[in-house]
Amino acid sequence: DTGVSQDPRHKITKRGQNVTFRCDPISEHNRLYWYRQTLGQGPEFLTYFQNEAQLEKSRLLSDRFSAERPKGSFSTLEIQRTEQGDSAMYLCASSFQNSPLHFGNGTRLTVT
Amino acid sequence: GENVEQHPSTLSVQEGDSAVIKCTYSDSASNYFPWYKQELGKRPQLIIDIRSNVGEKKDQRIAVTLNKTAKHFSLHITETQPEDSAVYFCAASSLRRKLIFGQGTELSVKP
Repeated sequence: DTGVSQDPRHKITKRGQNVTFRCDPISEHNRLYWYRQTLGQGPEFLTYFQNEAQLEKSRLLSDRFSAERPKGSFSTLEIQRTEQGDSAMYLCASSFQNSPLHFGNGTRLTVT
Repeated sequence: GENVEQHPSTLSVQEGDSAVIKCTYSDSASNYFPWYKQELGKRPQLIIDIRSNVGEKKDQRIAVTLNKTAKHFSLHITETQPEDSAVYFCAASSLRRKLIFGQGTELSVKP
């Protein structure tokens, strides 16, 4: 059994570039969440999916951010025209229905 | 809007002492309250959770209490050990909605 898998683990990019992250949830989990975490803070909700449907998106989320889960399995999070303020750890989590969330190891993004 | 406040932000205890972390939530529809432990550079990991139909839950040295009227819940760790040192996050959610996390408490257990 594998847990939630995220790729890449680290990403360094220049300001203005686009980046895409991938999350593979635990296989039987139908819900998938994206969170962002900066140093010394709790995870901040970005968006979540139930199967392939995106059910909620944070009001704080810029339109430069987009997420997809086309077949209800893996998900991608894209950030367009990255800014230095986007530097953070991007965490993916999954669950089955209302079971507890299981987190991946995250993708650490550094925008220079 | 939905908000979870967590206190204290840092907590230092001697090995063997108890540690208590408190959280309050704003959304009265919240009915699920997990606690996560995050070690440096690692993923948050669930250590205990409680649902709103229960006032207290215990798992070995860890216990969580919930006061729905006051909208607050607490994590209690007894007989602390150095390996308990980490950042602890509380969170709250209502059915079918996302988890809202507190700001975290950095616990340091000194040998």
